[in-house]
Amino acid sequence: DGGITQSPKYLFRKEGQNVTLSCEQNLNHDAMYWYRQDPGQGLRLIYYSQIVNDFQKGDIAEGYSVSREKKESFPLTVTSAQKNPTAFYLCASSDFGANSNQPQHFGDGTRLSIL
Amino acid sequence: DAKTTQPTSMDCAEGRAANLPCNHSTISGNEYVYWYRQIHSQGPQYIIHGLKNNETNEMASLIITEDRKSSTLILPHATLRDTAVYYCIVRVLGAAGNKLTFGGGTRVLVKP
Repeated sequence: DGGITQSPKYLFRKEGQNVTLSCEQNLNHDAMYWYRQDPGQGLRLIYYSQIVNDFQKGDIAEGYSVSREKKESFPLTVTSAQKNPTAFYLCASSDFGANSNQPQHFGDGTRLSIL
Repeated sequence: DAKTTQPTSMDCAEGRAANLPCNHSTISGNEYVYWYRQIHSQGPQYIIHGLKNNETNEMASLIITEDRKSSTLILPHATLRDTAVYYCIVRVLGAAGNKLTFGGGTRVLVKP
């Protein structure tokens, strides 16, 4: 089945540690996104990538880093500089183009907690 | 992106139609209306989207008023599995990153 796979489902981070969240898609989508969701709130955009080897900061990029070496993969690293990393992280993908109205499709998320 | 206003919560009887309103009075001519839902601890699920014509798919129908200032998502026969938070989003076509801006949504509870 085509879709977006996020792993792990649950992740724990120690203070001062970097952790990497995985996102893989087999939908052949050009664009991929990372969002953060805090309890009872909407999603906020961290980073997005429209094509391989290119990505842009979203609204809350500080303390995060990404790479886009392959079309199907868009890993997110939560660095030690992110002081409040506990949240639900969601990856999405979509077809992209200047005239594309195609929706974004989401994975099932990774819940990150601090030990 | 245009701001949307939705009821905080609503109940619906199982088997009946659920009509979810959304106000987007400042919508621009090139902004699409999207609906997503999120079941607890899962990623948002795309439901439907439209620009100005009414749309229907296997999940729902989307009715957009002629002036495009409001819309209604219709779940024709609600089931218990439709209990979720429903988000109405307007997005500018081709905007940087095509990002989605989620507001508070409507918490829908389908009751037996």
